[in-house]
Amino acid sequence: RKEVEQDPGPFNVPEGATVAFNCTYSNSASQSFFWYRQDCRKEPKLLMSVYSSGNEDGRFTAQLNRASQYISLLIRDSKLSDSATYLCVVNKGAGNNRKLIWGLGTSLAVNP
Amino acid sequence: SQTIHQWPATLVQPVGSPLSLECTVEGTSNPNLYWYRQAAGRGLQLLFYSVGIGQISSEVPQNLSASRPQDRQFILSSKKLLLSDSGFYLCAWRAMGGLTYNEQFFGPGTRLTVL
Repeated sequence: RKEVEQDPGPFNVPEGATVAFNCTYSNSASQSFFWYRQDCRKEPKLLMSVYSSGNEDGRFTAQLNRASQYISLLIRDSKLSDSATYLCVVNKGAGNNRKLIWGLGTSLAVNP
Repeated sequence: SQTIHQWPATLVQPVGSPLSLECTVEGTSNPNLYWYRQAAGRGLQLLFYSVGIGQISSEVPQNLSASRPQDRQFILSSKKLLLSDSGFYLCAWRAMGGLTYNEQFFGPGTRLTVL
């Protein structure tokens, strides 16, 4: 089983739609969770950090379910500019050995 | 504010040639530094990380090496490139304190093609 699993998509949605991505992780000791966004041929950029049960930032809501070991990302009122690959990331280890484990990403295309 | 630089942006190299990619960070001290590779259509693979000058941890046995000669400088090298070394190489830094201590921030990357 992969340490971080995501549905690769692609998700094709019209502008204004609400879309949700799920991600599952295998390490029950993980404490930090993130969603990154990666545009085509660009570096990943931090979208949201999820440190408790969840948080909201404008149109984006991230939720964490520790019991079921999954994280979700909800995007409301999708914009064309939301088209990208969304990477689910989970921490592993402690101290100086702390690392991030990356999912393969979910591709989103928002259509006019 | 912190910024991270990588160069070159694009590189085409023949098989068997050497490689040197450089990454520098500004606006922070004693960051943890990371080298990742993203092959076409694949996820990010951690290659090396460094917690300080001269301290390198290797994640995957391979044809590459890393060095950290200064606090904010991280270098990825190879003596002889293989075709399988092609990919998108990303340098990242992580702050060492505060609530955001697990977050990593990336440079613009180097796209390497080995022919």
